[in-house]
Amino acid sequence: EVQLVESGGGLVQPGGSLRLSCAASGFTFSSYWMHWVRQAPGKGLVWVSRINSDGSSTSYADSVKGRFTISRDNAKNTLYLQMNSLRAEDTAVYYCASPLFNYWGQGTLVTVSS
Amino acid sequence: NFMLTQPHSVSESPGKTVTISCTGSSGSIASNYVQWYQQRPGSAPTTVIYEDNQRPSGVPDRFSGSIDSSSNSASLTISGLKTEDEADYYCQSYDSSNLEVFGGGTKLTVL
Repeated sequence: EVQLVESGGGLVQPGGSLRLSCAASGFTFSSYWMHWVRQAPGKGLVWVSRINSDGSSTSYADSVKGRFTISRDNAKNTLYLQMNSLRAEDTAVYYCASPLFNYWGQGTLVTVSS
Repeated sequence: NFMLTQPHSVSESPGKTVTISCTGSSGSIASNYVQWYQQRPGSAPTTVIYEDNQRPSGVPDRFSGSIDSSSNSASLTISGLKTEDEADYYCQSYDSSNLEVFGGGTKLTVL
């Protein structure tokens, strides 16, 4: 059974940092491109970032470029999102996913507030 | 910036057929694949259509996707509607930089 389990969310002050993790199991993680997608409370889905299977290529939405860093450890079957200089508008549930293969986690909530 | 526009909401009765549109703001929507995601209340999204018209395993064939180049739109059609189909549906494609773009979502009510 495919599982993606996010962790690391929580309450952080504006300007602070947080690192999200996504533990994968049930599929050959190292063969799949992975994504982070977020959803602000009551709002729609927004793509955040993606990384290719070996971690050599990354892409970001303009809204997070220069502040967020996606990475992966294929030996640990884990995807990461390092989030720096957090803003109130980054408040959202963050999902890790490989959408083309219908692999989605349950999400972790990040709240940026003083 | 490239945008995908969806109707805010649609409604239909059980057993009927509904179509949700997704219109690209520029370029040709046929130039890039379109995916469709379902999100039931309180749940994570799931993929119901990928690469314009492909269904992941486990998605019933009541769900189908298509592209209409003349209107620069993609469509998700759900036939034989069931109450369990009530959800938010999002289309997704790519901009000119090959970055993912989501539509704003459509709330489907099955009444």
